[in-house]
Amino acid sequence: NAGVTQTPKFRVLKTGQSMTLLCAQDMNHEYMYWYRQDPGMGLRLIHYSVGEGTTAKGEVPDGYNVSRLKKQNFLLGLESAAPSQTSVYFCASSTIPWVAGGQVNEQFFGPGTRLTVL
Amino acid sequence: KNEVEQSPQNLTAQEGEFITINCSYSVGISALHWLQQHPGGGIVSLFMLSSGKKKHGRLIATINIQEKHSSLHITASHPRDSAVYICAVPNFGNEKLTFGTGTRLTIIP
Repeated sequence: NAGVTQTPKFRVLKTGQSMTLLCAQDMNHEYMYWYRQDPGMGLRLIHYSVGEGTTAKGEVPDGYNVSRLKKQNFLLGLESAAPSQTSVYFCASSTIPWVAGGQVNEQFFGPGTRLTVL
Repeated sequence: KNEVEQSPQNLTAQEGEFITINCSYSVGISALHWLQQHPGGGIVSLFMLSSGKKKHGRLIATINIQEKHSSLHITASHPRDSAVYICAVPNFGNEKLTFGTGTRLTIIP
């Protein structure tokens, strides 16, 4: 199993350009998440999905859109990139919610995408 | 929202030393997650614990629910333990996680 993969690994954009980050998992997980990681801050949830065809906003959703047309794929889109979106983006997946009934459950992370917006 | 504080932010130690990393949070929880982020960036789960202590190899995690505190210990530290260690706690009400900013550990041979 490849686990959770992310494409691309690195990308440099100019302000105003658009792009899509792809997350794929081969573990048949229902739940998928997109996070961003910035220096001096903890991981922050951008959007998440609880199953094929569903998406929901996380903590920092502005400027991003997502789609989950297939169970194994979760796409993160930037329609008009801004320098504030320079970050490392992580995708994660799990069979059950990360947090359910107050209990923390295991998540599997992708390797990350380093995005720079000039 | 649950506030999470980790200490120290950075820790450098000699190979073989006993390491302790701390995590404190503001709102009572029933479980906590420790993760490890490798120098290359990959993140893996280490422990999910709701009480007492868990051990995996040279890593030991403890939690005190009443004190709102958890510790991650590494015995006989090795340079390959060099990584960022992150704790995460749930936010009741929205079923999301709040992540600490991490402790960067460097083990010198």
